[in-house]
Amino acid sequence: GQNIDQPTEMTATEGAIVQINCTYQTSGFNGLFWYQQHAGEAPTFLSYNVLDGLEEKGRFSSFLSRSKGYSYLLLKELQMKDSASYLCAVGEAAGNKLTFGGGTRVLVKP
Amino acid sequence: SQTIHQWPATLVQPVGSPLSLECTVEGTSNPNLYWYRQAAGRGLQLLFYSVGIGQISSEVPQNLSASRPQDRQFILSSKKLLLSDSGFYLCACLSLAGSYNEQFFGPGTRLTVL
Repeated sequence: GQNIDQPTEMTATEGAIVQINCTYQTSGFNGLFWYQQHAGEAPTFLSYNVLDGLEEKGRFSSFLSRSKGYSYLLLKELQMKDSASYLCAVGEAAGNKLTFGGGTRVLVKP
Repeated sequence: SQTIHQWPATLVQPVGSPLSLECTVEGTSNPNLYWYRQAAGRGLQLLFYSVGIGQISSEVPQNLSASRPQDRQFILSSKKLLLSDSGFYLCACLSLAGSYNEQFFGPGTRLTVL
């Protein structure tokens, strides 16, 4: 099975940087996904890591350490529209299934 | 491009009543399909997934069932709803546009059981 932990909530100021950590224990690993979910809406895909290291996509970066069972999502130059929940998910090869953490609600303040 | 339709968008049902939620996918064929439930303020829990017509895998024991009568149709059902069945139900498929086998989600159905 999978066990995925991430903080429940974080608050940051517009223009700042926030790092959302995710730790996981897994019986099978086929990549680490990050999704963004605005209140009342469906999740949308942000990033994917399967090898150790940093993947950068504009203001968003994601890091993975498979040996430590650890990932983080880094949000830079925060904007008010970044206020949302961020979901960490571990992929499993069989069925291309995803197991999600509880999500981290990020509140961006002016 | 692919599109996922889910209906109804919102639903209020009494305890003990039946349930049928429908998900249809356009713009793809033979997709892997997934049903998730999200309780208020929580993450997504995978309920069922299907790799083809008539093939259903259940992830958690519960009073829900799923069926896939057609290639691009995935149905979630219950004979008698419980209060704990309230939540946001999301249908997903593997994204055609993606490079990483990421899942693409439909708009969801918000179910309230009273």
